[in-house]
Amino acid sequence: NAGVTQTPKFQVLKTGQSMTLQCAQDMNHEYMSWYRQDPGMGLRLIHYSVGAGITDQGEVPNGYNVSRSTTEDFPLRLLSAAPSQTSVYFCASSFWGEAFFGQGTRLTVV
Amino acid sequence: KNEVEQSPQNLTAQEGEFITINCSYSVGISALHWLQQHPGGGIVSLFMLSSGKKKHGRLIATINIQEKHSSLHITASHPRDSAVYICAASGGGADGLTFGKGTHLIIQP
Repeated sequence: NAGVTQTPKFQVLKTGQSMTLQCAQDMNHEYMSWYRQDPGMGLRLIHYSVGAGITDQGEVPNGYNVSRSTTEDFPLRLLSAAPSQTSVYFCASSFWGEAFFGQGTRLTVV
Repeated sequence: KNEVEQSPQNLTAQEGEFITINCSYSVGISALHWLQQHPGGGIVSLFMLSSGKKKHGRLIATINIQEKHSSLHITASHPRDSAVYICAASGGGADGLTFGKGTHLIIQP
């Protein structure tokens, strides 16, 4: 049972490049979410999904897109990376409120 | 929007000491979560509670709904307990968790 799997673990991007952070869960959870973690700040919600085909914006959605074509996968897309998007990104899935987190993706935009 | 405050931000203690980390939130919640994050590591859920007290090994979490306050206690602390401890509030809706900024705990041998 893998839980929540994020790839890649580390990534360096140049300003303006695009990329997709992958997130997959094998627990059949309907609710999935993406957070970013920055020094001195708590984790902040970027986007979330309550089921396949349904997504919504969180607290800090600008510069990010998401889609949810299957229950298992919830990729996060950076359309045109900016240095302000340097952060650690966590994907999570939830069941009856209990959250399960991936191992995180450390992204640096130069 | 819920505001979640943790204290202390940093805590250094000696092995064996009893540790308390506090968390307060501003509006009613459906559940309060305590999470653990080791350096460079992922986030692990320790507790989810909506009332009373839960215990797992040397860790105890309590919540006082009326006072909007929760505490995480570690008994007989050990260097392997060194980590960042994060509390998070869920409001019961679909808008995810609201996180505190974390408490960085170091247990010295």
